[in-house]
Amino acid sequence: EVQLVQSGAEVKKPGESLKISCKGSGYSFNSYWIGWVRQMPGKGLEWMGIIYPGDSDTRYSPSFQGQVTISADKSISTAYLQWSSLKASDTAMYYCARDRDGYFQLDYWGQGTLVTVSS
Amino acid sequence: SYELTQPPSVSVSPGQTASISCFGDKLGDKYVCWYQQKPGQSPVLVIYQDNKRPSGIPERFSGSKSGNTATLTISGTQAMDEADYYCQSWDSSTGVFGGGTKLTVL
Repeated sequence: EVQLVQSGAEVKKPGESLKISCKGSGYSFNSYWIGWVRQMPGKGLEWMGIIYPGDSDTRYSPSFQGQVTISADKSISTAYLQWSSLKASDTAMYYCARDRDGYFQLDYWGQGTLVTVSS
Repeated sequence: SYELTQPPSVSVSPGQTASISCFGDKLGDKYVCWYQQKPGQSPVLVIYQDNKRPSGIPERFSGSKSGNTATLTISGTQAMDEADYYCQSWDSSTGVFGGGTKLTVL
């Protein structure tokens, strides 16, 4: 069974750093792109970027380029999303999801990680 | 930047057919997929590659495309189909979501 399990909710202060994770199982993790999606409170889905764990090829949405870093450790089947300096506007639910076929179509999703940034 | 346009809301009576549109420039040349998201839950892929249903998705969900407009159709809509629906495609090596449509079954 394909599963993506994300790390737990985080509460951080503005300016702090953060790295959240997404662990895949039940399939060949190295062979499928993993995407990250933001959903701000009460708002729609936003595509952040995508990584191919096999070679760490990463593509960012222009809106998120330079704002976050996406990485992966294929040895432990885990993808990451990190911030070096959080802002209150980073408060959101973050989802990871598997791209089923390389056409940016996400067939399996993690449960989401809620990030709250507040002073 | 590339945009996909959906109606903010659609209402349908139980048992009737709901249609949700998604428009984008040159969308006819790209694959479109659709997600369903219920409150407090992760999105679920209901249509991929324009008109294919993943296993486990009921047959009442179908997708189509005409020109630069894609459409998600739910036939015989049930109360359990009330949710937000998002279309999604791609541009310049990145995915793009539509703004979402709230489907109300009343």
